[in-house]
Amino acid sequence: SAVISQKPSRDICQRGTSLTIQCQVDSQVTMMFWYRQQPGQSLTLIATANQGSEATYESGFVIDKFPISRPNLTFSTLTVSNMSPEDSSIYLCSVNRGDTIYFGEGSWLTVV
Amino acid sequence: EDQVTQSPEALRLQEGESSSLNCSYTVSGLRGLFWYRQDPGKGPEFLFTLYSAGEEKEKERLKATLTKKESFLHITAPKPEDSATYLCAVQAEGVSGGSNYKLTFGKGTLLTVNP
Repeated sequence: SAVISQKPSRDICQRGTSLTIQCQVDSQVTMMFWYRQQPGQSLTLIATANQGSEATYESGFVIDKFPISRPNLTFSTLTVSNMSPEDSSIYLCSVNRGDTIYFGEGSWLTVV
Repeated sequence: EDQVTQSPEALRLQEGESSSLNCSYTVSGLRGLFWYRQDPGKGPEFLFTLYSAGEEKEKERLKATLTKKESFLHITAPKPEDSATYLCAVQAEGVSGGSNYKLTFGKGTLLTVNP
C-alpha cells in the first residue's frame, strides 16, 4: 500500500483567492496524480505530475487554473487559482504502486 | 470515450441480506477494472483490481467478478460496518505516458446496511 498525506484536509476559501494543496507520499514514486470530486459527480483526473517535467493536463483542465509543482519524488502541490463556488470539491492526490492506484484522504474545499 | 455506469445509485440492506452492485463499462481496451470503498470524509480505499473476463477476487464479505461488459461486487451477509460508497473505475490500455494510469470512475453506489 501507500501512505499519502494531504494538507489542508479542509478549508473554506473566499471567491477570487487561490489555495495550494500539498501531497506527501511515504516513499518515492515516479508519477503522482491529482483528481477532483465535485458534489454528486465522479472522480475526474485533473493532471499527472512527473518529477522534473511539466504536468500533463486532461481535457478541460488548464495550467493557469490548476498549476502543479513536483519538486521531488515524494511531494507535489496543486494550486486552485482564482476560485469560484464551482471549485468547491474534494481534491485528491493519488499514486501508483505497480498497477494499483492509491488515494490520499482528500482536501475538502468550500468556496464562498 | 471511456464510460462507467454504476447501479443502483443507492442500496439499503438489512444486516445479513446479501446483494450485488453493478458496474457497466465502455472502454476501447480494458487494462484493469478497479473497485474502491469510500467512507464519508475519507479518500477512496482500494479493494480489488480485475484484469480479464472471468476473473474473480474475494476479500472478507466482498467478491468482485468481471465480464466483458460489466463487473459485479457481491456482498455476502453484510454488516453495518460495510456501509459506504462503493466506486468502480476502469483503466484503458494503449495510452502512453502518465495517462496510461488514468482511472475513469462511475458515480458510485451508496450502500447502507441497517442492524
